Amino acid sequence: QKEVEQDPGPLSVPEGAIVSLNCTYSNSAFQYFMWYRQYSRKGPELLMYTYSSGNKEDGRFTAQVDKSSKYISLFIRDSQPSDSATYLCAMRVETSGSRLTFGEGTQLTVNP
Amino acid sequence: DADVTQTPRNRITKTGKRIMLECSQTKGHDRMYWYRQDPGLGLRLIYYSFDVKDINKGEISDGYSVSRQAQAKFSLSLESAIPNQTALYFCATSDRTGGVVNEQFFGPGTRLTVL
Repeated sequence: QKEVEQDPGPLSVPEGAIVSLNCTYSNSAFQYFMWYRQYSRKGPELLMYTYSSGNKEDGRFTAQVDKSSKYISLFIRDSQPSDSATYLCAMRVETSGSRLTFGEGTQLTVNP
Repeated sequence: DADVTQTPRNRITKTGKRIMLECSQTKGHDRMYWYRQDPGLGLRLIYYSFDVKDINKGEISDGYSVSRQAQAKFSLSLESAIPNQTALYFCATSDRTGGVVNEQFFGPGTRLTVL
């Protein structure tokens, strides 16, 4: 069983829709939770991060962590065609240095 | 210029050949990583290096080797390439003083095909 599970999609939505992307995990030691965005033919780039449980908002993006359920989410409000990309969740434990465990990524297309 | 560069960007090779993928960075980071990305499997860590003299295996190091020639350069070698090593390979860097998130910065990737 993978440590981090992510629905690969693909997910296709109309412009302006609210998008929900999710990951589940099995390692209760994960403390840092990140979302990377990867455009086609590019390397991933960090989009947002949270530490432990709670919510974090940045513009149209909200990251949520529920450690009791081992579940994290990324919400995109008022989605735009420029949000079309693959979104990867990533996690690490406190003592891992900077080693990350990634989900497989969800491919999102926002249609104008 | 890009902060993290990878060469070549695309490579087609045959089974049994030795292949080297190169990564250079101008970010001044001490930590470097090699990942491979496969459909349905996501990004998986092959090797990582926290400084020139500290190299560690990741989760899928079999069939690969690495060399950290300098702080800015980290090469990945496939000693005898096989078809299931066909994948997209990414190099990444991070700074040990990069705060709680220790963001990783990725190169543009190398698409490797082994026939």
